[in-house]
Amino acid sequence: GAGVSQSPSNKVTEKGKDVELRCDPISGHTALYWYRQSLGQGLEFLIYFQGNSAPDKSGLPSDRFSAERTGGSVSTLTIQRTQQEDSAVYLCASSLDGFTGPSSGNTIYFGEGSWLTVV
Amino acid sequence: SQQGEEDPQALSIQEGENATMNCSYKTSINNLQWYRQNSGRGLVHLILIRSNEREKHSGRLRVTLDTSKKSSSLLITASRAADTASYFCATEHNTDKLIFGTGTRLQVFP
Repeated sequence: GAGVSQSPSNKVTEKGKDVELRCDPISGHTALYWYRQSLGQGLEFLIYFQGNSAPDKSGLPSDRFSAERTGGSVSTLTIQRTQQEDSAVYLCASSLDGFTGPSSGNTIYFGEGSWLTVV
Repeated sequence: SQQGEEDPQALSIQEGENATMNCSYKTSINNLQWYRQNSGRGLVHLILIRSNEREKHSGRLRVTLDTSKKSSSLLITASRAADTASYFCATEHNTDKLIFGTGTRLQVFP
């Protein structure tokens, strides 16, 4: 597709259930990012994939959160045993390459996000 | 936390006026970018300024960067109602990830 595609657009789930959020990055982009945005707040970094390198998971808030990226393309963010505080927009983004210093500055392209509501 | 902070948190102006938003960050950067977000959905890249640049223009946008003060400003001149959105700065550090600020909600009244 022309842009970053995320699904589902909206998800309402019961507390304690597991959810999977999918991200399909722009074709050819090697870097993929997940961010979380609570209502009216800034973006919170979750995880970053770059090529075949080990992902940077430093932003994952707890061990209930995990993400994988299969074949260097599609990524799935999984939240186990959801809690009400997990309610947020989960934004995926991709860029042509990762950030490699002062000469880089790749633009990252965002999907429209997945609204998650835990009731 | 490396997250930047922006001020003001919210800004309301009339069409035709200029809007200035500020961003401060904590650690040295490779570059700083500004993004726009409509209605809580995906962000759109506006402009990038590198750490060795002090000012950059793009249409009605003017960005400045002061690395000694670890701050940047975004100026939107001759604002329009369509400029109503949230604006975020994002800093690239040597940690290979983009850190976003807390955002400024801009409301431009016709």
